[in-house]
Amino acid sequence: DQQVKQNSPSLSVQEGRISILNCDYTNSMFDYFLWYKKYPAEGPTFLISISSIKDKNEDGRFTVFLNKSAKHLSLHIVPSQPGDSAVYFCAASLLGQGAQKLVFGQGTRLTINP
Amino acid sequence: NAGVTQTPKFRILKIGQSMTLQCAQDMNHNYMYWYRQDPGMGLKLIYYSVGAGITDKGEVPNGYNVSRSTTEDFPLRLELAAPSQTSVYFCASSTGTASYEQYFGPGTRLTVT
Repeated sequence: DQQVKQNSPSLSVQEGRISILNCDYTNSMFDYFLWYKKYPAEGPTFLISISSIKDKNEDGRFTVFLNKSAKHLSLHIVPSQPGDSAVYFCAASLLGQGAQKLVFGQGTRLTINP
Repeated sequence: NAGVTQTPKFRILKIGQSMTLQCAQDMNHNYMYWYRQDPGMGLKLIYYSVGAGITDKGEVPNGYNVSRSTTEDFPLRLELAAPSQTSVYFCASSTGTASYEQYFGPGTRLTVT
């Protein structure tokens, strides 16, 4: 039962263009959504998040959009830079038994070409 | 401030052996988590702790045990290692229910043969 899905295993984008990473979820009880970035041989690092009561959050080059009716969120990176090449994980937060637990998607490998 | 540290970085185990993966954080976070990541998959929650002395199961707890005797440390014990436990293990911590961001360690790559 995959509650959070990233259907694109990989994405290749030219430097300077927009990168759009997508994520779908099934559980309407998720209260927060996060994007993590992961380089090889490192742990994931937090990038940006959005509350389920919002539809957009922006932080510099990164913007996350949430469409609750479609149970879909996306991460936009503008402009894309070579250092953005990494695996991006979408995660959804669920409060239960006193802790915020994260459910992760499978990840999308983003490659930025010069 | 080292953040979240994990040891060892790599380990090869034979089937049936046991080992403990160490995790420590110096951010005074109450909440700590263990995840595993299989190839091509997302991270799955194994166990979590909301404070010293309190632990609970996540999505995939079978074959693992945890303890939390201090705020700083959250070791993960593998008993009777099996090939299905070959994975990369990540430890994470967070401040609590008001914070959604979790801080991750660099991971331990474990191979069971």
